[in-house]
Amino acid sequence: SQQGEEDPQALSIQEGENATMNCSYKTSINNLQWYRQNSGRGLVHLILIRSNEREKHSGRLRVTLDTSKKSSSLLITASRAADTASYFCATDGGGGNKLTFGTGTQLKVEL
Amino acid sequence: DVKVTQSSRYLVKRTGEKVFLECVQDMDHENMFWYRQDPGLGLRLIYFSYDVKMKEKGDIPEGYSVSREKKERFSLILESASTNQTSMYLCASSSLRQAGSNQPQHFGDGTRLSIL
Repeated sequence: SQQGEEDPQALSIQEGENATMNCSYKTSINNLQWYRQNSGRGLVHLILIRSNEREKHSGRLRVTLDTSKKSSSLLITASRAADTASYFCATDGGGGNKLTFGTGTQLKVEL
Repeated sequence: DVKVTQSSRYLVKRTGEKVFLECVQDMDHENMFWYRQDPGLGLRLIYFSYDVKMKEKGDIPEGYSVSREKKERFSLILESASTNQTSMYLCASSSLRQAGSNQPQHFGDGTRLSIL
């Protein structure tokens, strides 16, 4: 069953602007991960945030996690055309080796 | 650099055929996964394996089987292909959970399978 749901489904911004994507999930988690997928390619892991962390940074990426609201957000600062891709959150459902992916946010960054 | 290789980028088969999708990883990962990706539905887990000869059903295993005879190779089998199995198929691998936490998954570039 789908656990993560991203919002919005699609986002179009101008280069240089910030892009924010949100993810909501339903059950407890050990960690939440964000992935990126360029058109016609596989997913690439971006960042992992553990359930006891509230915020994490990696370059131009900032991820927040609110376990009380069962939600996470991914912020891409100073976006570039090369950031155009689909972004997915994935949760581990509190245990096991598998992840459950959301339906993704399609980001388009225009010049 | 880590690498997950799927045998075909594009594949066209006919209804009723037995179809094999192959995936190889060079990272000595214990876990391997098969997903299908459809517009509006995201990624759905078909099967996964956490060791050689071990397999577990995912969310949508019906119509599929898998084989893991060697650690680096994980095969997805469509026993009798049907048109509703037309999709993008993605293979992934990951190392064992550490400190109670899942490890990132590494993906291949996918096989776009069309069943006519």
